[in-house]
This record gives sequence, C-alpha cells and structure tokens, in this order.
Amino acid sequence: GAVVSQHPSWVICKSGTSVKIECRSLDFQATTMFWYRQFPKQSLMLMATSNEGSKATYEQGVEKDKFLINHASLTLSTLTVTSAHPEDSSFYICSARSPAGKNTEAFFGQGTRLTVV
Amino acid sequence: GENVEQHPSTLSVQEGDSAVIKCTYSDSASNYFPWYKQELGKRPQLIIDIRSNVGEKKDQRIAVTLNKTAKHFSLHITETQPEDSAVYFCAASKGGANNLFFGTGTRLTVIP
Repeated sequence: GAVVSQHPSWVICKSGTSVKIECRSLDFQATTMFWYRQFPKQSLMLMATSNEGSKATYEQGVEKDKFLINHASLTLSTLTVTSAHPEDSSFYICSARSPAGKNTEAFFGQGTRLTVV
Repeated sequence: GENVEQHPSTLSVQEGDSAVIKCTYSDSASNYFPWYKQELGKRPQLIIDIRSNVGEKKDQRIAVTLNKTAKHFSLHITETQPEDSAVYFCAASKGGANNLFFGTGTRLTVIP
C-alpha cells in the first residue's frame, strides 16, 4: 500500500515554544491531507484538512492560529503547534488518500507524540 | 457535522469466539465506512471498509454489515485470535476516504 511518513515520531518541548510536525506521502502525490489528534485512550479527532496550494479547512473548535497548517507541495503537509502549552500534549496523526482510482484507502502516518513541559 | 457512536467500549472474548462491534452515524449523506485496528502507540491500519451501495462485505475472518436505513454498521470478527487484541475504530465519511469522523473506539481483548 501507499506510505505516509511523519516526522518526528516524538517530541518534547518547553511551554511557549513552537513545534513543527511533517507529514509526507512517500510514493504518491496527495493534494489533500488530514490532521487528527488523539488523546490517550480516546478516538481520533479530525482537526483540519490540508489542501495543497490553498488554505487549510479547520474543524469547528480548532484554533487555526494555534495549529498552523501548510501544504506547500503535493507530498508534504506540515502542522505547527504555536506557543505550545501542556494541554497541547497529544498524539498527532496525519493521513492522506491514495490517488483516485480503485484504491481509495486513507493511509495514516505513524503519528507524533508531543509532550509539552 | 457527522457524529459516530461506537459500542461497546471494551470487549473481552475467548479465543475462537466471535466479536461484534457496532457503530451508528448521524449524517445520511455519509457513504464510506472503514474500520481501523490500532495497536498501542501505532498508526491505525485499515482492516475492512464498506461503501453505501453495498450491504455486506467479507474478508476471511472479518465482515462488515451496513444498514443505511437505520444508519448503523457493524464489524464481525470470527474465530478470534490473541493477535486480534487491539483497539478498533469505526469511521464514516461523505467523501470517500477523506474527512473521516471516528467512533470512540473498542478495546478488544482475546483471551487465550
């Protein structure tokens, strides 16, 4: 299947700093990628849809100025958590859908565990 | 927006028995219903999916049924094995495998 890679896998940062998470589609082009957040033992919550070459679409309740999304190329979307606070600590996962055709499965990155201290 | 509910939250079965997990959705426009298996700290892995034009789909020990009228779909795992132990999430989407709205998850434990 298609491969989606996230970097870093885990990061620890100080409160007030910003953290950038990368999501790459390694063997296909993705005009759209998705960012999810998962709290411990909870479900994945869709945060935003990342659109290549245009602004991201945020779900209700997600602060766009807090979670900056950039999709500068067909294989890379980035999520920047700005001025991170301990409550931002979570597991962040991206996904991308493989190109249109027979296979329309959504593939997930391995996730990034963010800990803000 | 879409609201997906999932039951039960935890499920324990004896090895070899069947496991059933049920989900309901709220948006009648949803047309894609995947099921994911997630092991601790790892990415969700698609195990089976179904589209709204099909009522049932089977893949070896795993099957999914969809009732569009009632807006619910279920995952059935037969002949469970210890390696089936994981958290299972259902999801629903209006746009194929795009904006997925997930259920709350079911922690399945298969007892050897």
